[in-house]
Amino acid sequence: GQSLEQPSEVTAVEGAIVQINCTYQTSGFYGLSWYQQHDGGAPTFLSYNALDGLEETGRFSSFLSRSDSYGYLLLQELQMKDSASYFCAVRGPGSARQLTFGSGTQLTVLP
Amino acid sequence: NAGVTQTPKFRVLKTGQSMTLLCAQDMNHEYMYWYRQDPGMGLRLIHYSVGEGTTAKGEVPDGYNVSRLKKQNFLLGLESAAPSQTSVYFCASSNDYNTGELFFGEGSRLTVL
Repeated sequence: GQSLEQPSEVTAVEGAIVQINCTYQTSGFYGLSWYQQHDGGAPTFLSYNALDGLEETGRFSSFLSRSDSYGYLLLQELQMKDSASYFCAVRGPGSARQLTFGSGTQLTVLP
Repeated sequence: NAGVTQTPKFRVLKTGQSMTLLCAQDMNHEYMYWYRQDPGMGLRLIHYSVGEGTTAKGEVPDGYNVSRLKKQNFLLGLESAAPSQTSVYFCASSNDYNTGELFFGEGSRLTVL
């Protein structure tokens, strides 16, 4: 089976940097994805790491260490619109590319 | 560019009633999925499909059935709804590239009384 752990809540102020951690246990691993979901909305894809290291996309970066079964999402220059839930998800060995999601981290950005 | 479209967006059922949720995608994706999302529990996979005419069980398949008669459509059925099936249901699709990216619909909010 697969399981993921991430903090349930994180709070930061506008302009700050915040890191959301994710640890996982899986019988097979192909990659770690991150999704953003605003209240009442659909999850939207942010990033994907299949190999160790840092991937940068604008203000967002994602890191993966396969040896530690650990990854994180780094959000820089926080804006109010970044207040949302963030989910990490692992892609396991299944043929359909299906993802197993963590329970999500609610990020609140304060003015 | 519609992407992934789910209908209906809201529905209220009584215990024991049946219904079908429709998911349609216009991106020619092979893979389609149905997830449910409950407060504090993230998204859990119900069923998925790797192509037209194929379906498979996910993490929480009990009480649901699916069909993929056409590549662009993936239907989720509840034969006898139960209050435990009150949830938000998300359909998603993906192509066969290893990018870890799913494209989600806007969700269908189902309440079973």
